[in-house]
Amino acid sequence: GENVEQHPSTLSVQEGDSAVIKCTYSDSASNYFPWYKQELGKRPQLIIDIRSNVGEKKDQRIAVTLNKTAKHFSLHITETQPEDSAVYFCAASMNNFNKFYFGSGTKLNVKP
Amino acid sequence: DAGVIQSPRHEVTEMGQEVTLRCKPISGHDYLFWYRQTMMRGLELLIYFNNNVPIDDSGMPEDRFSAKMPNASFSTLKIQPSEPRDSAVYFCASTGLNYANYGYTFGSGTRLTVV
Repeated sequence: GENVEQHPSTLSVQEGDSAVIKCTYSDSASNYFPWYKQELGKRPQLIIDIRSNVGEKKDQRIAVTLNKTAKHFSLHITETQPEDSAVYFCAASMNNFNKFYFGSGTKLNVKP
Repeated sequence: DAGVIQSPRHEVTEMGQEVTLRCKPISGHDYLFWYRQTMMRGLELLIYFNNNVPIDDSGMPEDRFSAKMPNASFSTLKIQPSEPRDSAVYFCASTGLNYANYGYTFGSGTRLTVV
Protein backbone atom coordinates (compact mmCIF):
# COMPACT_ATOMS: atom_id res chain seq x y z
CA GLY A 1 0.00 0.00 0.00
CA GLU A 2 0.85 3.68 0.00
CA ASN A 3 3.45 5.07 2.40
CA VAL A 4 3.54 8.79 3.14
CA GLU A 5 6.48 10.33 4.96
CA GLN A 6 6.38 13.87 6.31
CA HIS A 7 9.19 16.17 7.43
CA PRO A 8 10.00 17.89 9.67
CA SER A 9 8.09 16.64 12.68
CA THR A 10 8.40 20.05 14.36
CA LEU A 11 9.05 23.47 12.86
CA SER A 12 9.53 26.73 14.66
CA VAL A 13 9.56 30.02 12.74
CA GLN A 14 9.41 33.69 13.54
CA GLU A 15 6.23 35.55 12.70
CA GLY A 16 6.44 36.85 9.14
CA ASP A 17 8.84 34.16 7.97
CA SER A 18 7.94 31.36 5.58
CA ALA A 19 7.38 27.73 6.52
CA VAL A 20 7.80 24.70 4.28
CA ILE A 21 6.61 21.18 5.06
CA LYS A 22 7.54 18.30 2.79
CA CYS A 23 5.95 14.93 2.09
CA THR A 24 6.92 11.98 -0.06
CA TYR A 25 4.70 9.16 -1.25
CA SER A 26 5.45 5.73 -2.65
CA ASP A 27 2.50 4.75 -4.87
CA SER A 28 2.64 6.34 -8.31
CA ALA A 29 -1.12 5.67 -8.65
CA SER A 30 -1.87 8.31 -6.01
CA ASN A 31 -3.36 11.36 -7.64
CA TYR A 32 -4.94 13.47 -4.91
CA PHE A 33 -2.98 15.22 -2.16
CA PRO A 34 -4.82 17.18 0.54
CA TRP A 35 -3.34 19.10 3.44
CA TYR A 36 -5.07 19.36 6.78
CA LYS A 37 -4.55 21.74 9.70
CA GLN A 38 -5.37 20.56 13.19
CA GLU A 39 -5.42 22.99 16.07
CA LEU A 40 -5.04 21.65 19.57
CA GLY A 41 -8.10 19.66 20.62
CA LYS A 42 -9.92 20.25 17.36
CA ARG A 43 -10.74 18.38 14.18
CA PRO A 44 -8.44 18.26 11.15
CA GLN A 45 -9.61 20.80 8.59
CA LEU A 46 -8.79 20.82 4.90
CA ILE A 47 -6.75 23.89 3.97
CA ILE A 48 -5.65 23.11 0.43
CA ASP A 49 -5.44 20.19 -1.96
CA ILE A 50 -3.86 19.39 -5.30
CA ARG A 51 -4.44 16.82 -8.00
CA SER A 52 -1.74 15.12 -10.00
CA ASN A 53 -2.57 16.99 -13.21
CA VAL A 54 -1.48 20.26 -11.57
CA GLY A 55 2.03 21.21 -10.48
CA GLU A 56 1.17 24.06 -8.13
CA LYS A 57 -1.83 25.57 -6.42
CA LYS A 58 -2.06 28.73 -4.38
CA ASP A 59 -4.63 30.16 -1.98
CA GLN A 60 -3.61 33.48 -0.44
CA ARG A 61 -0.64 32.76 1.87
CA ILE A 62 -0.75 29.00 1.31
CA ALA A 63 0.61 27.11 -1.67
CA VAL A 64 1.20 23.48 -2.50
CA THR A 65 3.63 22.13 -5.07
CA LEU A 66 3.72 18.63 -6.52
CA ASN A 67 6.53 16.79 -8.26
CA LYS A 68 5.06 13.58 -9.67
CA THR A 69 8.35 12.31 -11.01
CA ALA A 70 10.05 12.52 -7.64
CA LYS A 71 6.81 11.63 -5.80
CA HIS A 72 6.93 14.51 -3.38
CA PHE A 73 4.75 17.46 -2.53
CA SER A 74 5.19 20.42 -0.25
CA LEU A 75 3.15 22.96 1.68
CA HIS A 76 4.39 26.54 1.70
CA ILE A 77 3.06 29.14 4.12
CA THR A 78 4.26 32.70 3.61
CA GLU A 79 4.09 35.62 6.05
CA THR A 80 3.34 33.26 8.91
CA GLN A 81 1.14 34.45 11.76
CA PRO A 82 0.71 33.09 15.31
CA GLU A 83 -2.68 31.67 14.31
CA ASP A 84 -0.90 29.42 11.82
CA SER A 85 0.48 27.48 14.81
CA ALA A 86 -1.02 23.98 14.59
CA VAL A 87 -0.24 20.44 13.45
CA TYR A 88 -0.29 20.02 9.68
CA PHE A 89 -0.93 16.68 8.00
CA CYS A 90 -0.34 15.74 4.40
CA ALA A 91 -2.13 12.82 2.78
CA ALA A 92 -2.16 10.87 -0.47
CA SER A 93 -5.04 9.08 -2.11
CA MET A 94 -6.03 7.57 -5.42
CA ASN A 95 -8.98 9.95 -5.26
CA ASN A 96 -10.73 11.88 -2.57
CA PHE A 97 -13.29 9.13 -1.92
CA ASN A 98 -10.85 6.39 -1.20
CA LYS A 99 -8.73 5.91 1.88
CA PHE A 100 -6.28 8.68 2.65
CA TYR A 101 -2.81 7.74 3.76
CA PHE A 102 -1.74 10.41 6.20
CA GLY A 103 1.73 11.60 7.03
CA SER A 104 2.80 11.67 10.67
CA GLY A 105 2.20 15.39 11.05
CA THR A 106 4.29 18.54 11.52
CA LYS A 107 3.86 20.71 14.56
CA LEU A 108 4.33 24.30 13.43
CA ASN A 109 5.05 26.94 16.04
CA VAL A 110 4.99 30.57 14.91
CA LYS A 111 6.69 32.80 17.46
CA PRO A 112 5.36 36.35 17.74
CA ASP B 1 -25.38 22.17 7.20
CA ALA B 2 -24.19 21.38 10.73
CA GLY B 3 -21.28 19.36 9.44
CA VAL B 4 -20.34 15.86 10.56
CA ILE B 5 -21.77 15.28 14.01
CA GLN B 6 -20.21 12.87 16.47
CA SER B 7 -21.32 11.81 19.92
CA PRO B 8 -20.33 11.66 22.64
CA ARG B 9 -17.48 14.21 22.66
CA HIS B 10 -15.83 12.50 25.59
CA GLU B 11 -16.22 8.99 26.94
CA VAL B 12 -14.56 7.51 29.98
CA THR B 13 -15.19 3.83 30.58
CA GLU B 14 -13.76 0.95 32.52
CA MET B 15 -11.84 -1.83 30.88
CA GLY B 16 -14.14 -4.58 29.70
CA GLN B 17 -17.13 -2.33 29.11
CA GLU B 18 -18.83 -1.88 25.76
CA VAL B 19 -18.40 1.49 24.07
CA THR B 20 -20.49 2.85 21.20
CA LEU B 21 -19.47 5.90 19.22
CA ARG B 22 -21.93 7.60 16.90
CA CYS B 23 -21.67 9.63 13.73
CA LYS B 24 -24.03 11.55 11.49
CA PRO B 25 -22.44 12.44 8.14
CA ILE B 26 -23.20 15.53 6.10
CA SER B 27 -26.46 15.12 4.22
CA GLY B 28 -25.80 13.99 0.66
CA HIS B 29 -22.36 12.57 1.39
CA ASP B 30 -22.21 8.92 0.41
CA TYR B 31 -18.80 8.04 1.82
CA LEU B 32 -18.18 7.71 5.55
CA PHE B 33 -14.85 7.01 7.22
CA TRP B 34 -13.84 6.14 10.78
CA TYR B 35 -10.32 7.19 11.83
CA ARG B 36 -8.44 6.76 15.07
CA GLN B 37 -5.79 9.26 16.21
CA THR B 38 -3.07 8.57 18.75
CA MET B 39 0.28 10.19 19.39
CA MET B 40 2.11 6.99 18.56
CA ARG B 41 0.29 5.97 15.38
CA GLY B 42 -1.12 9.24 14.05
CA LEU B 43 -4.31 9.09 11.97
CA GLU B 44 -5.30 5.53 11.11
CA LEU B 45 -8.22 4.57 8.89
CA LEU B 46 -10.30 1.90 10.60
CA ILE B 47 -13.11 1.36 8.09
CA TYR B 48 -15.04 3.18 5.41
CA PHE B 49 -18.48 2.88 3.86
CA ASN B 50 -19.93 3.81 0.49
CA ASN B 51 -23.71 4.03 0.24
CA ASN B 52 -23.95 2.37 3.67
CA VAL B 53 -21.90 -0.66 2.56
CA PRO B 54 -18.52 -1.37 4.21
CA ILE B 55 -15.85 -1.16 1.52
CA ASP B 56 -12.61 -1.63 3.42
CA ASP B 57 -12.32 -2.73 7.04
CA SER B 58 -8.69 -3.79 6.89
CA GLY B 59 -7.78 -1.17 9.47
CA MET B 60 -10.07 -2.51 12.16
CA PRO B 61 -7.65 -3.65 14.87
CA GLU B 62 -9.37 -6.84 15.90
CA ASP B 63 -12.69 -8.54 16.44
CA ARG B 64 -13.44 -6.35 19.42
CA PHE B 65 -14.16 -3.54 16.95
CA SER B 66 -17.26 -3.45 14.77
CA ALA B 67 -18.92 -0.74 12.70
CA LYS B 68 -22.32 -0.41 11.13
CA MET B 69 -24.13 2.04 8.90
CA PRO B 70 -27.82 1.16 8.97
CA ASN B 71 -28.81 4.17 6.86
CA ALA B 72 -27.32 7.14 5.04
CA SER B 73 -27.46 9.42 8.06
CA PHE B 74 -26.07 7.28 10.86
CA SER B 75 -23.09 5.11 11.69
CA THR B 76 -21.76 3.48 14.84
CA LEU B 77 -18.38 2.19 15.91
CA LYS B 78 -18.54 -0.30 18.74
CA ILE B 79 -15.75 -1.66 20.92
CA GLN B 80 -16.55 -4.69 23.04
CA PRO B 81 -14.81 -5.34 25.36
CA SER B 82 -12.81 -2.13 25.62
CA GLU B 83 -9.16 -2.10 26.69
CA PRO B 84 -6.86 0.72 27.89
CA ARG B 85 -4.94 0.60 24.59
CA ASP B 86 -8.13 1.65 22.79
CA SER B 87 -7.81 5.09 24.38
CA ALA B 88 -7.61 7.57 21.50
CA VAL B 89 -9.57 10.21 19.64
CA TYR B 90 -11.95 8.64 17.14
CA PHE B 91 -12.90 10.78 14.16
CA CYS B 92 -15.68 10.24 11.68
CA ALA B 93 -15.39 11.91 8.27
CA SER B 94 -17.59 12.08 5.19
CA THR B 95 -17.38 13.09 1.54
CA GLY B 96 -19.21 12.41 -1.68
CA LEU B 97 -19.03 12.37 -5.44
CA ASN B 98 -20.71 15.75 -5.63
CA TYR B 99 -18.10 17.22 -3.32
CA ALA B 100 -15.06 16.13 -5.25
CA ASN B 101 -13.14 19.31 -4.63
CA TYR B 102 -13.37 19.39 -0.87
CA GLY B 103 -11.80 16.23 0.45
CA TYR B 104 -13.04 14.87 3.74
CA THR B 105 -14.98 16.81 6.31
CA PHE B 106 -14.12 15.56 9.78
CA GLY B 107 -16.37 15.52 12.80
CA SER B 108 -15.22 16.97 16.12
CA GLY B 109 -14.14 13.55 17.33
CA THR B 110 -14.81 11.42 20.39
CA ARG B 111 -12.06 11.30 22.98
CA LEU B 112 -12.19 7.82 24.49
CA THR B 113 -10.43 6.99 27.72
CA VAL B 114 -10.48 3.39 28.94
CA VAL B 115 -9.31 2.99 32.53
